[in-house]
Amino acid sequence: QQQVKQSPQSLIVQKGGISIINCAYENTAFDYFPWYQQFPGKGPALLIAIRPDVSEKKEGRFTISFNKSAKQFSLHIMDSQPGDSATYFCAAAWPGSARQLTFGSGTQLTVLP
Amino acid sequence: ETGVTQSPTHLIKTRGQQVTLRCSSQSGHNTVSWYQQALGQGPQFIFQYYREEENGRGNFPPRFSGLQFPNYSSELNVNALELDDSALYLCASSWGGVTYNEQFFGPGTRLTVL
Repeated sequence: QQQVKQSPQSLIVQKGGISIINCAYENTAFDYFPWYQQFPGKGPALLIAIRPDVSEKKEGRFTISFNKSAKQFSLHIMDSQPGDSATYFCAAAWPGSARQLTFGSGTQLTVLP
Repeated sequence: ETGVTQSPTHLIKTRGQQVTLRCSSQSGHNTVSWYQQALGQGPQFIFQYYREEENGRGNFPPRFSGLQFPNYSSELNVNALELDDSALYLCASSWGGVTYNEQFFGPGTRLTVL
């Protein structure tokens, strides 16, 4: 019940296209849903995050869509650029004392020039 | 503002040995979480330290242990290393509290167990 399922495993888009990565969760106690971007040899970097009281959050070219009833959330990258090529992880946290993050398995995004 | 730093960058050990990994938290943060990231997978939570006390633990055996110091830096110790312990070990710092979740990750320590 602590799992976060992420798809697709890999994604190839053309420059200027829209990249969409999806995640689903079971634990309704989760109350914080961040997305992280990770480049090879680096630690994950927080990209954008959402709480379940809103259905959408936008920051620049990055948008999170959140569907509480379906227990799903997704990351949309508009106008994808070659520099966006990285591995993206969705995650979720629940209000336990540690508020540890439960990560999805990752999506390797390649944006072709 | 200094970000999260980890040392060493890479480490090679043999099965059965012990290893200590170090993490300096971001300025102003009092909470350090440790994660294990196996190749091609998402990070998995090991444990968290808040104000020098263990504040939560994931599904890892007792041979994974840690410390947090008064300056909020932290160590991860792994005893009796196994081949499956080969992974990228990440620490993340944050400001502890009920509602604040943003965690900032360091670059990680790549551990190889032969």
